[in-house]
Amino acid sequence: DQQVKQNSPSLSVQEGRISILNCDYTNSMFDYFLWYKKYPAEGPTFLISISSIKDKNEDGRFTVFLNKSAKHLSLHIVPSQPGDSAVYFCAASGGYSGAGSYQLTFGKGTKLSVIP
Amino acid sequence: DAGITQSPRHKVTETGTPVTLRCHQTENHRYMYWYRQDPGHGLRLIHYSYGVKDTDKGEVSDGYSVSRSKTEDFLLTLESATSSQTSVYFCAISSPVDGYTFGSGTRLTVV
Repeated sequence: DQQVKQNSPSLSVQEGRISILNCDYTNSMFDYFLWYKKYPAEGPTFLISISSIKDKNEDGRFTVFLNKSAKHLSLHIVPSQPGDSAVYFCAASGGYSGAGSYQLTFGKGTKLSVIP
Repeated sequence: DAGITQSPRHKVTETGTPVTLRCHQTENHRYMYWYRQDPGHGLRLIHYSYGVKDTDKGEVSDGYSVSRSKTEDFLLTLESATSSQTSVYFCAISSPVDGYTFGSGTRLTVV
């Protein structure tokens, strides 16, 4: 049973426009959400996160929105740049132990292509 | 990535042979993880470790074993490689301050 779902395998956006990547989750115990970016032949790198006590977190061109009632989060990239072309993974955690471990459950990823 | 290295980066092996992948960290983090990435499946947890000689199973642990005899090294072993284990394997470490950091991956092909 897939607990974190990214239903769009791919997305194409024109440079300068907004990219919106979506993620849905089913486990109501999840309370921390993250987005990772992955380029080919590299490991995923952390992009932005949000705690369940918030509904929005912003970092430069990247904003993550969380709708707990809908169990939905989205990543907005404005403006999109060609260098943003990558696979984006949504991930969720059921709680941070404070001991350095929080098991992450990942979605399948969305491949974003930003067209110059 | 800085502080975490995986070896080898690429490997081709035959069905039925044992294979060991190595993850080495210089961050002294307690928690280490092995994931596999496959098209249509995203990243799935194989095993993780929460200390020396302390390990536990993840979502897709069948056919894999792990060992952690030192804080800095976390080994993933495929006891008898199968074609279904052809994948890209990522090691990760985590800490309260830095969150998750992934290695660059090992591309394993089982022929």
